[in-house]
Amino acid sequence: GAGVSQTPSNKVTEKGKYVELRCDPISGHTALYWYRQSLGQGPEFLIYFQGTGAADDSGLPNDRFFAVRPEGSVSTLKIQRTERGDSAVYLCASSSDDGELFFGEGSRLTVL
Amino acid sequence: AQSVTQLGSHVSVSEGALVLLRCNYSSSVPPYLFWYVQYPNQGLQLLLKYTSAATLVKGINGFEAEFKKSETSFHLTKPSAHMSDAAEYFCAVSGPSAAGNKLTFGGGTRVLVKP
Repeated sequence: GAGVSQTPSNKVTEKGKYVELRCDPISGHTALYWYRQSLGQGPEFLIYFQGTGAADDSGLPNDRFFAVRPEGSVSTLKIQRTERGDSAVYLCASSSDDGELFFGEGSRLTVL
Repeated sequence: AQSVTQLGSHVSVSEGALVLLRCNYSSSVPPYLFWYVQYPNQGLQLLLKYTSAATLVKGINGFEAEFKKSETSFHLTKPSAHMSDAAEYFCAVSGPSAAGNKLTFGGGTRVLVKP
């Protein structure tokens, strides 16, 4: 497809479990971003990749959160030992050199 | 540090009436400012952006916003609301870069359009 693709669209898990969320950016976009949107709030920055490297991971809330982009395209956000407070919509966006971000539809994570 | 405040988490307008969504920002550097719209079950879509050129910015779907440095505001307007404008709107700020990386978003304003 032409847009940013995120899978799964919905994920329900139990407290303490491990979760992976995948983002497939627009082809050719070098920059990739992860944001988290909690209910009733605006998106909050998590991490930004330029190519394969994390250029800015200052938004990751703690060391349970980790993201990779091994080949400079698809990215995976990994959450260990999930907690109920991790429940949110995780948004991925990509951009080319002109900087406009294109967002995916998000992955809704519910931790029971 | 940067921050964005959107006044009013919910706005109700009649079809055909003016839409006015308020956004105030705080930034220690010259800001780049954005408005995004989010329709139900869809991703965020860029409406318009201010990048230090003209202070009145025109976007898609008839929306426009005016950057007022003295008021640290970037309010979004549309002269005549349409039913299809019902959505959530987010104002965002980033540093002085053409790239929108590390956007700081406001809390959003949900717009309801009454027939």
